Amino acid sequence: EPEVTQTPSHQVTQMGQEVILRCVPISNHLYFYWYRQILGQKVEFLVSFYNNEISEKSEIFDDQFSVERPDGSNFTLKIRSTKLEDSAMYFCASSEVLRVAGEQYFGPGTRLTVT
Amino acid sequence: QKEVEQNSGPLSVPEGAIASLNCTYSDRGSQSFFWYRQYSGKSPELIMSIYSNGDKEDGRFTAQLNKASQYVSLLIRDSQPSDSATYLCASRGSTLGRLYFGRGTQLTVWP
Repeated sequence: EPEVTQTPSHQVTQMGQEVILRCVPISNHLYFYWYRQILGQKVEFLVSFYNNEISEKSEIFDDQFSVERPDGSNFTLKIRSTKLEDSAMYFCASSEVLRVAGEQYFGPGTRLTVT
Repeated sequence: QKEVEQNSGPLSVPEGAIASLNCTYSDRGSQSFFWYRQYSGKSPELIMSIYSNGDKEDGRFTAQLNKASQYVSLLIRDSQPSDSATYLCASRGSTLGRLYFGRGTQLTVWP
């Protein structure tokens, strides 16, 4: 069964450094998302992406964040200058455009630790 | 603010029992609803989606939606210890739009 994959599984970085989180969505899906979950808190939406542009973004997704689809398979989230409060699990999700309910399938996540 | 509320639990049921998980949402414009299961340290795993009033069954799982009451529930029949996890309820306002998650209900099924 097709799955969303994410790399790395765990990233440790120092405050102020740039990080890039990578995702490979399910192959026939065209809608992509990034969510994050701070330990013990709810899953929060960051951004959605369709047809090579951002469809929607939350108030969390400020100028420090960017997304890109550099090729036909990868979808990336970049954090330019990490803060301690960026420490969280980051999940990529994808959705098949033609499904009525538009179910979103999540990848295994990247645990980002900012020290 | 589009809120999704869940009883955080913990909910504890014996093996073989029915587990009932509930969720309410604030946005009457929400169109679709989803139940995800999340094991500790893992990602949300989609169990069911529902967008029409009434019941939807899939194996041991039944989702129920009542849009008038803004209420969604998930029943797990014949609960197994492997069902022990946190169950997340999510709503979405438009097709392919963002998901709004509740905090989740922690379920423990004891043998």
